[in-house]
Amino acid sequence: VQLVESGGGLVQPGGSLRLSCAASGFTFTGYDMNWVRQAPGKGLEWVSYIRSDSSIIHYADSVKGRFTISRDNAKNSVYLRMNSLRDEDTAVYYCARDFYDRGMDYWGQGTLVTVSS
Amino acid sequence: IVLTQSPGTLSLSPGERATLSCRASQSVNSNFLAWYQQKPGQAPRLLIYGASSRTTGVPDRFSGSGSGTDFTLTITRLEPEDFAVYYCQQYGSSWGFTFGPGTKVDIK
Repeated sequence: VQLVESGGGLVQPGGSLRLSCAASGFTFTGYDMNWVRQAPGKGLEWVSYIRSDSSIIHYADSVKGRFTISRDNAKNSVYLRMNSLRDEDTAVYYCARDFYDRGMDYWGQGTLVTVSS
Repeated sequence: IVLTQSPGTLSLSPGERATLSCRASQSVNSNFLAWYQQKPGQAPRLLIYGASSRTTGVPDRFSGSGSGTDFTLTITRLEPEDFAVYYCQQYGSSWGFTFGPGTKVDIK
């Protein structure tokens, strides 16, 4: 199982960014997926969840209305579109495979998003 | 649901027993309570799911227990590689996932 995030970088407040997570080594269509972030020196914060068939989506209150999760099962990929970025969105963003709602059993290495002017 | 973990930091020596607590603001379905280990510069690792089931490859010195609002992660004999930050997490069908703030286990 491998999850590889990309798309992070430096963006100004109010800007947008799209993160990607490429999955391999398992049947992608059989698993729900999550994005989790970690601000520098802080704890883990769940960001968003998407069901295997995209039928159910959840967001943390802190990103609701600004972030959009999506997936392309043909490309074995999950995405996070982030709009109206704020300083407090600065974090390492991890893509993580959902283990039947009981946890997240595989994680990517993370991609750093820095929101700063 | 808010998860509270205690203590914030646990200073112990190798070979000692570590007991980490996770308390929920309301009752949690234990099927959806998990524990993670995170070392500096690494992604988290799922240790325990369903409150007490170890994932593949997790040593049996790690055990989880609890129900309702009180859950515990126990490490019976700390090995050098166990010094890390530990997070509990719960899932709710209406709101998604919540992580606790973490307990750091460091070397005394």
